[in-house]
Amino acid sequence: QSALTQPPSVSGSPGQSVTISCTGTSSDVGSYNRVSWYQQPPGTAPKLMIYEVSNRPSGVPDRFSGSKSGNTASLTISGLQAEDEADYYCSSYTSSRDVVFGGGTKLTVL
Amino acid sequence: QLQLQESGPGLVKPSETLSLTCTVSGGSISSSSYYWGWIRQPPGKGLEWIGSMYYSGSTYYNPSLKSRVTISVDTSKNQFSLKLSSVTAADTAVYYCARSYDSSGYYYDAFDIWGQGTMVTVSS
Repeated sequence: QSALTQPPSVSGSPGQSVTISCTGTSSDVGSYNRVSWYQQPPGTAPKLMIYEVSNRPSGVPDRFSGSKSGNTASLTISGLQAEDEADYYCSSYTSSRDVVFGGGTKLTVL
Repeated sequence: QLQLQESGPGLVKPSETLSLTCTVSGGSISSSSYYWGWIRQPPGKGLEWIGSMYYSGSTYYNPSLKSRVTISVDTSKNQFSLKLSSVTAADTAVYYCARSYDSSGYYYDAFDIWGQGTMVTVSS
C-alpha cells in the first residue's frame, strides 16, 4: 500500500485558481471513482471537501471542485480566499479494500 | 448533530498496547450504511488510515498495521474502540475517529464526520 502522490506545496493569490494533483495507480485512483479530498487548517481535524471524485458535501462552497483522469485526480479551488490556506489531502479506495491517503499539499494564499 | 469524541491515555510505554475509545453522540452507531474508522497523523506528517468497521462487526485494516490492530464496537454504549499492540515511538501521533457513509453500504473511504483527535505519545 503506497501513499498517493501530491505536490508538497502550491500557492496562489486571492481570486486566482489553483489545482492540486493526486496521482495513484490502476489499483486505486484509476479503478474507482472513490477519491476524496480533505482540508486541514493547522491544529484542526480534517474536513471532507469532495467525495466520489467530484461530489461536494452540503455546506462546501462550489469554488471547490474535483475531477479525475486516468490514475490522477485533481482538486481545483477557484476564487481563492485567505481562509482557504490549509493542508489538503486526497484519499482513495483500493482494490485491496484499503484506504490510502496522499502525502498532503500545503496551500499558501499569497 | 452527530459528534465523535476520542478518549484514552495520552502516554503509552513502548511495547505496551495503545487503547482508545470513540464515543458517538447525536446518532446511533448501529445505523446502516455507516462505517466507523480510525485515522492517525504523526506530528508534522500526513494522514494514515488505520482501519474501519461496520456495527455488525466487519472490520478492514491497513495491511501495514493489521498484525497489531483490533477495532471493536460496543453498540450498548454507542462506542467503538482501537487497540494497537507492541507500540513504538513510530506510533506517536494524533489519533482521530471518524464516520464514513456510503449509500450502498459497501465503501468506507469518505470520512464526513471527525472527532477532534487525541494526541498519543509513546515514551518510557
